[in-house]
Amino acid sequence: QSMLTQPPSVSGTPGQRVTISCSGSRSNIGSNTVNWYRQLPGTAPKLLIYSNNQWPSGVPDRISGSKSGTSASLAISGLQSEDEADYYCETWDDSLNGRVFGGGTKLTVL
Amino acid sequence: QVQLVESGGGLVKAGGSLRLSCAASGFIFNDYYMSWIRQAPGKGLEWISCISETTSDTNYADSVKGRFTISRDNAKKSLFLQVYSLRAEDTAVYYCARHLTSKGAFDVWGQGTVVTVSS
Repeated sequence: QSMLTQPPSVSGTPGQRVTISCSGSRSNIGSNTVNWYRQLPGTAPKLLIYSNNQWPSGVPDRISGSKSGTSASLAISGLQSEDEADYYCETWDDSLNGRVFGGGTKLTVL
Repeated sequence: QVQLVESGGGLVKAGGSLRLSCAASGFIFNDYYMSWIRQAPGKGLEWISCISETTSDTNYADSVKGRFTISRDNAKKSLFLQVYSLRAEDTAVYYCARHLTSKGAFDVWGQGTVVTVSS
């Protein structure tokens, strides 16, 4: 059971905007910044968003992140077929004294 | 270019041990915190352990505490994970990853090395 809760799946059509939620607690999201990763099948994860809403080099601004209280969310606008992947939120947990990942969300582009 | 390459995975019997390695290139290795993260077949990501730039600080997930040991050799630009008393549930792809900032996001990942534990 992950400390961070994500929906198992979300879906959208090309061009649509979808959001993926990540719910935690005071000891993790409530006290630390959140990062988001995308993982294509058979490949290593890739950093999409760090420190709640910052973009690494090369990530388009149609992908954005936000955080409020003990929850965070990832938004993808102008959905494209190549966005079909698994998405994970991640942060530090002060109680566990370690990093924690969400269970992952599979995004399907219909 | 910035790169991490893992090695050392394989098939091992339950109760056995392995030493995983991660070779870094293209950046100043001793400037960065490093971590190991694993992914069981068909499952999500699980952070296992991290180590500070100077090895003075290490942290472990409860699931591996006492059985896994993280270390690094800055002169050889290498990260290691010594795994003991392996269990079937340790079967996974093991990734090494670089922290963007101390204990921050993972901005560079290796391709992973597969560990399979047979019972």
